[in-house]
Amino acid sequence: NAGVMQNPRHLVRRRGQEARLRCSPMKGHSHVYWYRQLPEEGLKFMVYLQKENIIDESGMPKERFSAEFPKEGPSILRIQQVVRGDSAAYFCASSLPPGQGHNEKLFFGSGTQLSVL
Amino acid sequence: DAKTTQPNSMESNEEEPVHLPCNHSTISGTDYIHWYRQLPSQGPEYVIHGLTSNVNNRMASLAIAEDRKSSTLILHRATLRDAAVYYCIHRREYGNKLVFGAGTILRVKS
Repeated sequence: NAGVMQNPRHLVRRRGQEARLRCSPMKGHSHVYWYRQLPEEGLKFMVYLQKENIIDESGMPKERFSAEFPKEGPSILRIQQVVRGDSAAYFCASSLPPGQGHNEKLFFGSGTQLSVL
Repeated sequence: DAKTTQPNSMESNEEEPVHLPCNHSTISGTDYIHWYRQLPSQGPEYVIHGLTSNVNNRMASLAIAEDRKSSTLILHRATLRDAAVYYCIHRREYGNKLVFGAGTILRVKS
């Protein structure tokens, strides 16, 4: 069973371009989470999605950032008109559907390192 | 998710046990205590979690204080591969997302 797959592993964009980060969850996982880690800082929650539904986007910047998890295919984190401050590692995690207590483990991918020139 | 307090860093010798403390004085009765770790250049990795009783798995043990205001992650024999940032999180029942703090940087000396 392959783990959470993120691609690309490294992404370089110039200011003003768009960045699209992909995340394929583990088999059987219908819940996806995106986190951002700025250099020398901790992991910050961005968004939590279920297939075709955003459950919690309280950590998403109000502008330029969007996320989706379609019925078929990977989850996509999209950043429009990137700026240098968007340079960070972006991690995706997946989990099983919530069970009793909603305390399923999260399984993380290896991340996408976004560099904005 | 409420705030936890961990030491910024700790150091251990290889092959010796490591006790990583965490204070969570504002924990509520239904919050679970989770530990994750992040190795260099990798995503976080689940270590262990518990509610009230001490827990053991192949990676570590979790000792939870009787009043649940603190817990300790125990690595029984540290190896160089255990060098990582360890995060203690308490997670609301029926709350799926994890809120990470600064964690403890564990350095293991050979």
